[in-house]
Amino acid sequence: SQTIHQWPATLVQPVGSPLSLECTVEGTSNPNLYWYRQAAGRGLQLLFYSVGIGQISSEVPQNLSASRPQDRQFILSSKKLLLSDSGFYLCAWSMGGSQYEQFFGPGTRLTVL
Amino acid sequence: AQSVTQLGSHVSVSEGALVLLRCNYSSSVPPYLFWYVQYPNQGLQLLLKYTTGATLVKGINGFEAEFKKSETSFHLTKPSAHMSDAAEYFCACEDGSQGNLIFGKGTKLSVKP
Repeated sequence: SQTIHQWPATLVQPVGSPLSLECTVEGTSNPNLYWYRQAAGRGLQLLFYSVGIGQISSEVPQNLSASRPQDRQFILSSKKLLLSDSGFYLCAWSMGGSQYEQFFGPGTRLTVL
Repeated sequence: AQSVTQLGSHVSVSEGALVLLRCNYSSSVPPYLFWYVQYPNQGLQLLLKYTTGATLVKGINGFEAEFKKSETSFHLTKPSAHMSDAAEYFCACEDGSQGNLIFGKGTKLSVKP
């Protein structure tokens, strides 16, 4: 069966510090991968998605970036965090194709102080 | 661009009462549709999905949803609410490319004893 992991689970970082969040998927190959952010009262915002190694599409321009160094690894990064980067970050994967649902990881709670 | 509208950011019901969470989509072509549930500080879990075929879809935890093309709706129902149903619920539709999903803003369900 497939599983998706995210770490860390919680993170408190000062403004201006770097960020690296990691997501890995097990039990499948060549998945589509997604990064979402949930800010209070704003629903889910798609940040990045990837259909293959090294292929990243950005949905929202901001100071975040994503990378996919391996087939089942997806990393969200920032060089300098802003207060507005606080939120709940969710990674998800899918088989690709419109009829397939996305499966979500447990999330990372990021607080920028 | 497609969109998903969830009527009511907060819904409160009594235990044992009917649960009705509303979702409307905007698309000229019937999309694939999904309902997810999110418990506090957790990732999203798929409740049910509509792709093709029967318009009444049954999901986990006693939930079901009916796809109505004429009303562009995909409302979620459960005949009898349980305290454990208290959570946030998200409706989503596929956007026709790469398996990306468009999410509604979510409806927070409270269940009163």
